[in-house]
Amino acid sequence: DADVTQTPRNRITKTGKRIMLECSQTKGHDRMYWYRQDPGLGLRLIYYSFDVKDINKGEISDGYSVSRQAQAKFSLSLESAIPNQTALYFCATGLAGDPTGELFFGEGSRLTVL
Amino acid sequence: AQSVTQLDSQVPVFEEAPVELRCNYSSSVSVYLFWYVQYPNQGLQLLLKYLSGSTLVESINGFEAEFNKSQTSFHLRKPSVHISDTAEYFCAVSETAGGSNYKLTFGKGTLLTVNP
Repeated sequence: DADVTQTPRNRITKTGKRIMLECSQTKGHDRMYWYRQDPGLGLRLIYYSFDVKDINKGEISDGYSVSRQAQAKFSLSLESAIPNQTALYFCATGLAGDPTGELFFGEGSRLTVL
Repeated sequence: AQSVTQLDSQVPVFEEAPVELRCNYSSSVSVYLFWYVQYPNQGLQLLLKYLSGSTLVESINGFEAEFNKSQTSFHLRKPSVHISDTAEYFCAVSETAGGSNYKLTFGKGTLLTVNP
C-alpha cells in the first residue's frame, strides 16, 4: 500500500459543484502539502500544514480551502469548482525536524471541471 | 524568494545517448537542491538531492547532478539513457533559512523522451 494515499484518483465534475480531495498518510509525518500541477507550469503550492492546528496559504490558495482533520489526514476542497481548476493535484508529506524540505508524494488526483 | 528555472521544456534523445537536463536557481541564502522524476501516470519520486558536502551526487539508476554555486546550477546528467528513463523531471529548491523554509519551489519540468 502507498504511504501517501489520495482519493479520488480521477474525478469529473461540473462548474459550481463542491469537490473534496482527500489525502491520508501512514508515514507519521507532521507536514502535509497540497500542490497543483498544470502542463508547462510545474507544481505550485496551494496550502500547507505543519501540524493539526497549523494551516498556511501557498502561492495559489484562492478558490481552495483545506482541513487538517488529524495528523494523517489533509483534505483539499473546491467550494465552487470552475474549469480553470482542471488540473492534477498532489498531496505531499514532509518530516518534522527535517530542515531540507524533502517531500514524499501521493499518486495524484486528476480533476476535470466541465 | 527562491526560484527555479529549467531551461528546456522537452528533451528528445535516442536510446544509449548521453543527456543533460539543465536547472538554474535563484536564492539569497544557501539552498538544498532536489531532482524529482515523474513517470507516466505516477506521482513524483525523489531521484537525488544535494544537501551539503560533495558537489556531485548520484542516483541508484545512473543519473548524477553537480551543484555549482558560482553558476547557481544543478544540472542532471546521464551518460547513456534507456527507454525506461522517459519521464518528466523536476528540479526543486528549498532555502536553508528564512521564511520559506520547509517549502520546496519547483521548476516547470523537463519532459525527457527516449526514442529507440
